[in-house]
Amino acid sequence: GAGVSQTPSNKVTEKGKYVELRCDPISGHTALYWYRQSLGQGPEFLIYFQGTGAADDSGLPNDRFFAVRPEGSVSTLKIQRTERGDSAVYLCASSRTGGAGELFFGEGSRLTVL
Amino acid sequence: DQQVKQNSPSLSVQEGRISILNCDYTNSMFDYFLWYKKYPAEGPTFLISISSIKDKNEDGRFTVFLNKSAKHLSLHIVPSQPGDSAVYFCAAPSGTYKYIFGTGTRLKVLA
Repeated sequence: GAGVSQTPSNKVTEKGKYVELRCDPISGHTALYWYRQSLGQGPEFLIYFQGTGAADDSGLPNDRFFAVRPEGSVSTLKIQRTERGDSAVYLCASSRTGGAGELFFGEGSRLTVL
Repeated sequence: DQQVKQNSPSLSVQEGRISILNCDYTNSMFDYFLWYKKYPAEGPTFLISISSIKDKNEDGRFTVFLNKSAKHLSLHIVPSQPGDSAVYFCAAPSGTYKYIFGTGTRLKVLA
């Protein structure tokens, strides 16, 4: 597609459930990022992929969060045993190479944990 | 480590006047800065960038200024239009690939 695509756009779940959020980056972009944005805050870095490997996962809040990018294109962010504090908009971005240069964001997946 | 601060959470400007949005960062080791615009229920959209080899970059009504000694960026929008009403984020690099974002400034352009 022309831009970064994220699904679902909205997800409501109950505390303790498992959630998967999907990101389809711009074709040919080798770098993929996950950010999280809470109300009134800027995007907060979670994880960065260069190709298939997670080059930097230092932003993942704890071991309930995990992300994969098995074929170097689509990525899935996985959240286990969701908590109310996980409620946020999860943003995916891609860039051509991962060096200095703009990130192209998707529209985000809004997660609400009840 | 990089910290980014946008100290004005909101700004109101009359249509046709200049909007000035400010951003401060702490780590000047890396040198490519980004501005994004965000409308409600949409993802951030890239607006303009600047490299530290320049102190100014202009794209139509948008100009970004970089003051390296003060570790300060500003985004100028002139003339401001009602469609510019959005939240604006600046982003500074932390390392060679990771960007840290400020908390944003909500701009309202009054018709």
